[in-house]
Amino acid sequence: KQEVTQIPAALSVPEGENLVLNCSFTDSAIYNLQWFRQDPGKGLTSLLLIQSSQREQTSGRLNASLDKSSGRSTLYIAASQPGDSATYLCAVPGGASGGSYIPTFGRGTSLIVHP
Amino acid sequence: GAGVSQSPSNKVTEKGKDVELRCDPISGHTALYWYRQSLGQGLEFLIYFQGNSAPDKSGLPSDRFSAERTGGSVSTLTIQRTQQEDSAVYLCASSLVSGNEQFFGPGTRLTVL
Repeated sequence: KQEVTQIPAALSVPEGENLVLNCSFTDSAIYNLQWFRQDPGKGLTSLLLIQSSQREQTSGRLNASLDKSSGRSTLYIAASQPGDSATYLCAVPGGASGGSYIPTFGRGTSLIVHP
Repeated sequence: GAGVSQSPSNKVTEKGKDVELRCDPISGHTALYWYRQSLGQGLEFLIYFQGNSAPDKSGLPSDRFSAERTGGSVSTLTIQRTQQEDSAVYLCASSLVSGNEQFFGPGTRLTVL
């Protein structure tokens, strides 16, 4: 069974800092990995999807990397802003070894960027 | 459609009543997922539909929970004889095909009194 861990659970930083959020998973035979943000009381917003054959994806100030062999992904946020404050979640499908497309989600990293 | 929509956005019900939650996926998306998010908890998978295949119901917590997807589009999650522990936010997501990028709706907040 796939297990996903996100570290740290919470992070509070001043505006302008560069950040790294971590996601690790136990079954490396994955199809892809997806990063989301969730604002309080809202649904999840997709940020980046990395296919298993890719090493990284970039969107604006966000960069996500994937190291399948070690079971890790990082989300890098450059020049953080107060509007980046949210919970960030990573999700991976069940693992190709299990043949499942059902994603397993981490518990998330709660980020606060203060002015 | 422009995105995944869910209704109602909020539902308050009394213990023992039945509730129906609706999800309209993005037009053309063949895969549809239901999740539950309890206060302070992670996302819990409930059920998954892919095209006309039989749904994967492995995440449904009890036989009080059921879901259907009509015409490969709209889905309804039904909870019978609601209990207080069913209180949570119910989220729906769709993707073009299984394993592709998932897009989430805003969720339905269910409160069982």
